[in-house]
Amino acid sequence: ETGVTQTPRHLVMGMTNKKSLKCEQHLGHNAMYWYKQSAKKPLELMFVYNFKEQTENNSVPSRFSPECPNSSHLFLHLHTLQPEDSALYLCASSQDSLALGTQYFGPGTRLLVL
Amino acid sequence: GQNIDQPTEMTATEGAIVQINCTYQTSGFNGLFWYQQHAGEAPTFLSYNVLDGLEEKGRFSSFLSRSKGYSYLLLKELQMKDSASYLCAVGNSNYQLIWGAGTKLIIKP
Repeated sequence: ETGVTQTPRHLVMGMTNKKSLKCEQHLGHNAMYWYKQSAKKPLELMFVYNFKEQTENNSVPSRFSPECPNSSHLFLHLHTLQPEDSALYLCASSQDSLALGTQYFGPGTRLLVL
Repeated sequence: GQNIDQPTEMTATEGAIVQINCTYQTSGFNGLFWYQQHAGEAPTFLSYNVLDGLEEKGRFSSFLSRSKGYSYLLLKELQMKDSASYLCAVGNSNYQLIWGAGTKLIIKP
């Protein structure tokens, strides 16, 4: 247990569906991250929130929409996804995104887009 | 561009020693991290190097040479549970982590 939980663990959706991924951290951290992990590729940073403010959007398509209501919760809203969006989506947290500290990861959501 | 290179896959024998290399080219340097990721699980932090030299932590050690843009993770007395992917990540001048694709380590009895 890393102190970061993600739900659901697995998700299958059609290209016209709308779904949301949820992440919660119990570590008292101020920064939260969304990553995309595809097989045999480096982790791709998608979004960064620091003290609930989005500080990084790494040229992510608008079909991915993040939401951070407070420092402990992070959502990723999905709509009209493409099959190439199938991947493992990892949430992470750290003390502060402006100081390079250890990131703690959740177990991820395995997403399959049909 | 910025990139991290590490071998895709390595195989080693239980009880042996294995060294996983990582070379990097980034805009600035603010430390190098190693993470372990078992299949289907979250990456977990192993080590952090910001100065040149060797950092030892039990069976695992990590080495850094900033002038060569090079690091390695050394695993001793390998156990079957060490079968996992090992991710190298470098902090750049913008305090962003640049990740390698990971090295899948297979341990054989």
